[in-house]
Amino acid sequence: NAGVTQTPKFQVLKTGQSMTLQCAQDMNHEYMSWYRQDPGMGLRLIHYSVGAGITDQGEVPNGYNVSRSTTEDFPLRLLSAAPSQTSVYFCASSTPGQGTETQYFGPGTRLLVL
Amino acid sequence: GDSVTQMEGPVTLSEEAFLTINCTYTATGYPSLFWYVQYPGEGLQLLLKATKADDKGSNKGFEATYRKETTSFHLEKGSVQVSDSAVYFCALRQGNNRLAFGKGNQVVVIP
Repeated sequence: NAGVTQTPKFQVLKTGQSMTLQCAQDMNHEYMSWYRQDPGMGLRLIHYSVGAGITDQGEVPNGYNVSRSTTEDFPLRLLSAAPSQTSVYFCASSTPGQGTETQYFGPGTRLLVL
Repeated sequence: GDSVTQMEGPVTLSEEAFLTINCTYTATGYPSLFWYVQYPGEGLQLLLKATKADDKGSNKGFEATYRKETTSFHLEKGSVQVSDSAVYFCALRQGNNRLAFGKGNQVVVIP
């Protein structure tokens, strides 16, 4: 049971480039989310999904796209990278229901946009 | 909207000292509350949680009590170790299991 996995661990991009951050979970969790972590800002929600085919925006969605074609995978796409997107990105998964709402986080992807 | 406020600044203390990290929240109703911990170079791990008022969450010697009167969920540990050095985040659960996080507190424990 690998839990939540993220690739790559580290990426350097030039302004304007696009890329996809991968996230996968093997716990059959319905809910998945993407957060970004910036110094002094805590974690902020980018996008989330409550099941395959269903996604919604979080607090800071601009510049990012997501899709959820399977329960296991929830990729995050940067359409045209900007220096403001330099951050550490965390994917998380969980199941719905009172008492089972603990989120499990991946190890993160550190992104540097030059 | 929902929000979480943590005390400002890093916390530096000596081994075996008492640790308190303050957390207050603003929310509609009584959401589940969490403390997550992030060790250097790693992702976040759940440290403890409380799902209703007056509940006490505890784990690894850490405790936090859900106080609806003061809308607080302060984290405490009686005797810290060097291995407790990490960043600690307070969070509350929103709809669809979304989390609203505080800004986090860096804790450094000196031998």
